[in-house]
Amino acid sequence: AQTVTQSQPEMSVQEAETVTLSCTYDTSESDYYLFWYKQPPSRQMILVIRQEAYKQQNATENRFSVNFQKAAKSFSLKISDSQLGDAAMYFCAYRIQGAQKLVFGQGTRLTINP
Amino acid sequence: KAGVTQTPRYLIKTRGQQVTLSCSPISGHRSVSWYQQTPGQGLQFLFEYFSETQRNKGNFPGRFSGRQFSNSRSEMNVSTLELGDSALYLCASSSYLTPYEQYFGPGTRLTVT
Repeated sequence: AQTVTQSQPEMSVQEAETVTLSCTYDTSESDYYLFWYKQPPSRQMILVIRQEAYKQQNATENRFSVNFQKAAKSFSLKISDSQLGDAAMYFCAYRIQGAQKLVFGQGTRLTINP
Repeated sequence: KAGVTQTPRYLIKTRGQQVTLSCSPISGHRSVSWYQQTPGQGLQFLFEYFSETQRNKGNFPGRFSGRQFSNSRSEMNVSTLELGDSALYLCASSSYLTPYEQYFGPGTRLTVT
């Protein structure tokens, strides 16, 4: 069974600094996608970044980037120049190709200190 | 383009009752997935519908059911409610053009007393 583990229940960072959220996953599949979702207090789940497993290049979206280590089954999220609006629950998620079912980690609550 | 909408946003029910939640996907999206979010179990996949057919189902009891209409709107139903069904229910829609991206609605907060 596929599982996703986020080992950091809570993280905090000073505004404008960089923070890295960790995620590991377990799967026997070779074709899959990995995602980071953000859920602010408003509850709306927002896609932050995605990574296709077949791509070796790490995905980047503005201040957000990932470190994808396929052999280690690791998928960390780096947020640069943290902003107050980045405060939220962050969920790492996995999906096999061809299916819509997302498997989520337990989440990391990120606090930004002004 | 309007986002995913879910109604109602909040719901309070009593044990033993049944409830129906509604989800309207983004226009043009034909796949709708449902998730249950609780503090203890986190986010868990309930089921997915595509073109009115259930394509995948999570590990939930038969009290949880769903359907999808020809306009892609989806409903989920929970019968004989239990206290443990209190949760945030999220739906997400996706398009066959960008199947790797799921767009979530704001959720329905169900409280069972």
